[in-house]
Amino acid sequence: DAGITQSPRHKVTETGTPVTLRCHQTENHRYMYWYRQDPGHGLRLIHYSYGVKDTDKGEVSDGYSVSRSKTEDFLLTLESATSSQTSVYFCAISPRRSEKLFFGSGTQLSVL
Amino acid sequence: QQQVKQSPQSLIVQKGGISIINCAYENTAFDYFPWYQQFPGKGPALLIAIRPDVSEKKEGRFTISFNKSAKQFSLHIMDSQPGDSATYFCAATSQTGANNLFFGTGTRLTVIP
Repeated sequence: DAGITQSPRHKVTETGTPVTLRCHQTENHRYMYWYRQDPGHGLRLIHYSYGVKDTDKGEVSDGYSVSRSKTEDFLLTLESATSSQTSVYFCAISPRRSEKLFFGSGTQLSVL
Repeated sequence: QQQVKQSPQSLIVQKGGISIINCAYENTAFDYFPWYQQFPGKGPALLIAIRPDVSEKKEGRFTISFNKSAKQFSLHIMDSQPGDSATYFCAATSQTGANNLFFGTGTRLTVIP
């Protein structure tokens, strides 16, 4: 998957707990993204990064925060998980914004 | 509001047939239209993309047709094979406007032998 690793691959958590998903790349791409995939909605952008410590909101950013302290790592945090955040989360990377995205294998998150 | 509308939601095609998936958009600033293919348990992968300066782009059995005036674009899969069974997503963005990439809701294609 183009040198991109997501962890964990599966997680079950309880409502109200904090959750952090990690994305690691070995391609040295400038742009990194977090998407969520839900039936009937396709893929929706949560947050993206255009450099170390440079991030911006996407379409569905409420309830999520991100951090990028190194080029290769992009973290997605759910401060207080809710059942509506049950989803499959994908990290993606690209050399140019919104062009030729390479996706990771995803994280299945269940919030009970 | 869905920026890119995709149809059909699911599609069943016989082996050797033509699969056609359609997408429509409203934002005239969009200038890059990729298609992604996703197999179960995997992330989406870029399949083919088109810019509005051409009306058609072909790569092997996959062709994108683009109608700028109608604000529509479609993916045609010729000689469909069981290995093409996957979910397909169209997407659109404005690269000149440094916009986000907006995805359609996906089409699950099943090619039966």
